[in-house]
Amino acid sequence: QKEVEQDPGPLSVPEGAIVSLNCTYSNSAFQYFMWYRQYSRKGPELLMYTYSSGNKEDGRFTAQVDKSSKYISLFIRDSQPSDSATYLCAMSERNYGQNFVFGPGTRLSVLP
Amino acid sequence: GAVVSQHPSRVICKSGTSVKIECRSLDFQATTMFWYRQFPKQSLMLMATSNEGSKATYEQGVEKDKFLINHASLTLSTLTVTSAHPEDSSFYICSARGLAGGSNNYEQYFGPGTRLTVT
Repeated sequence: QKEVEQDPGPLSVPEGAIVSLNCTYSNSAFQYFMWYRQYSRKGPELLMYTYSSGNKEDGRFTAQVDKSSKYISLFIRDSQPSDSATYLCAMSERNYGQNFVFGPGTRLSVLP
Repeated sequence: GAVVSQHPSRVICKSGTSVKIECRSLDFQATTMFWYRQFPKQSLMLMATSNEGSKATYEQGVEKDKFLINHASLTLSTLTVTSAHPEDSSFYICSARGLAGGSNNYEQYFGPGTRLTVT
């Protein structure tokens, strides 16, 4: 079993839809969780950073962490064609001095 | 968010030559820098981790004599691909981790990537 699993997609949705992107993980020691967005031929861009369980909202994006289920989600409301990208989840046990473990990424296409 | 730059953004070189890629954290000090490579439609593959002033730690299967990493300062790391071969053609992305923008968290920011083509 991989340490972090993510549905690779591609996931295609119509413009305006609510998108749910998910990751599951096996290491119960993970406490820091990130979501990155990567456009084609670009470096990943940090979208959300959360610590432990709970929800965090930033504009159209909501990150949700359920440590008891070892499951994290990123919700995108009112999706736009410009949201079309690959979304990577990442997680870490510690805040400092350790590489984040990345999921393989989910390709999202928002169709106009 | 914090800014990480990479130079060059694209490079084409001949087989057998060496190529150096620079990674800079522009507005924060990076305590740790990471180098990844990414093949088309695949996820990031960590190559090595480097802390300023110390030797890089390479992931299993990554040749340290082929991929030379230098982390000379808290804002600069370089990756040199020595004696490049066509199979080294890939998208190389650096990442820097540190306290940026007043955050209390050691967040990790990525550079825009360097596309290497070896002919």
